[in-house]
Amino acid sequence: DTEVTQTPKHLVMGMTNKKSLKCEQHMGHRAMYWYKQKAKKPPELMFVYSYEKLSINESVPSRFSPECPNSSLLNLHLHALQPEDSALYLCASSQDGTGDYGDTQYFGPGTRLTVL
Amino acid sequence: AQSVTQLGSHVSVSEGALVLLRCNYSSSVPPYLFWYVQYPNQGLQLLLKYTTGATLVKGINGFEAEFKKSETSFHLTKPSAHMSDAAEYFCAVRTPISSGSARQLTFGSGTQLTVLP
Repeated sequence: DTEVTQTPKHLVMGMTNKKSLKCEQHMGHRAMYWYKQKAKKPPELMFVYSYEKLSINESVPSRFSPECPNSSLLNLHLHALQPEDSALYLCASSQDGTGDYGDTQYFGPGTRLTVL
Repeated sequence: AQSVTQLGSHVSVSEGALVLLRCNYSSSVPPYLFWYVQYPNQGLQLLLKYTTGATLVKGINGFEAEFKKSETSFHLTKPSAHMSDAAEYFCAVRTPISSGSARQLTFGSGTQLTVLP
């Protein structure tokens, strides 16, 4: 089973709202990722967690706050977003985040976020 | 630094025709290479990958790709296109050196495949 689940599927929020995106995997993976994808563009890496510790933050604005409560769950807390933050947010997981040959990333279906 | 170039942002083929999506990479050491497919309003699905060993890699849905070191290429092919193959295809590279962001996936800009009836 290579399934990564994400909720909600769609989210509409105002610029003053606080919301959270959730990602879950049960493959025993120890690395989890958040990507942002704008229309007709490739995914852009935002954060990487490895063994529940934040290992990479690609200079993402503080209005995005990741959290990894355990090895199976990954959250992305959103606050005071801007309309340009509207995008598809993808979660992925992999074996351990080392980037070695066995460390293949598997993606979830994404959350379509619209900021009004 | 690693990079990926996908030639052709849009490719159209007739149903039953050969599919060829081009991917060239730049890497200072032998890379790991991936093809992902994305259907409308969905996430990315792994089609196939090359890490070590045999250079001709077979994936799901009848796709295959060949790693050619001399040409720094990893083109994706399928002998006979189906309507269901219409999607966005991303080539990605990862170089197993350095640390941090440098060890993460670098995606190409994507190729939109249209299959004509």
